[in-house]
Amino acid sequence: GAGVSQTPSNKVTEKGKYVELRCDPISGHTALYWYRQSLGQGPEFLIYFQGTGAADDSGLPNDRFFAVRPEGSVSTLKIQRTERGDSAVYLCASSLNPGSRNYGYTFGSGTRLTVV
Amino acid sequence: RKEVEQDPGPFNVPEGATVAFNCTYSNSASQSFFWYRQDCRKEPKLLMSVYSSGNEDGRFTAQLNRASQYISLLIRDSKLSDSATYLCVVNSDMRFGAGTRLTVKP
Repeated sequence: GAGVSQTPSNKVTEKGKYVELRCDPISGHTALYWYRQSLGQGPEFLIYFQGTGAADDSGLPNDRFFAVRPEGSVSTLKIQRTERGDSAVYLCASSLNPGSRNYGYTFGSGTRLTVV
Repeated sequence: RKEVEQDPGPFNVPEGATVAFNCTYSNSASQSFFWYRQDCRKEPKLLMSVYSSGNEDGRFTAQLNRASQYISLLIRDSKLSDSATYLCVVNSDMRFGAGTRLTVKP
């Protein structure tokens, strides 16, 4: 697609429920990143995929968070047993050539998750 | 020490002023750096890459100081439309700074 697409744009869920957030990166971008951002803070790194594999998942806060990218394109971030502290904007970004100084990340418009 | 740290904001400047932000990083092996701009309730958007020799894009100048491990962003002749949060990112670490909020006032 022309840009990074994230769905849904907004998600309200009850504490304890399971949620899935979807990211459709720019076609041909092999690198995909998940971040979350709370108000007044910078994006917090969660996980980085290179192709189908998670190259770095050191930012996932705990085992309630999991992400997949089975075919190397669309990725799903899964959060189990949601807590109120999970409320944030979840941003996805993709990149053509990670590590290159010529290519930054292109972000989607994010999913605003609210846990009530 | 955080991997990426930015000047605390907010910066409030009059139109036409010159303003500069710094961003320090901890990984001395880092190779690529970027500045992003984020408007309120929007996603970050790439402003410019930072090259070793320094680079300029109109009113914006980015510089890298490897010895002291920081990058800088200089905005000349600031406009009202420059009001935003400016984020730095060290590509190899994939970590963003917390952002510096700039408000340009008439």
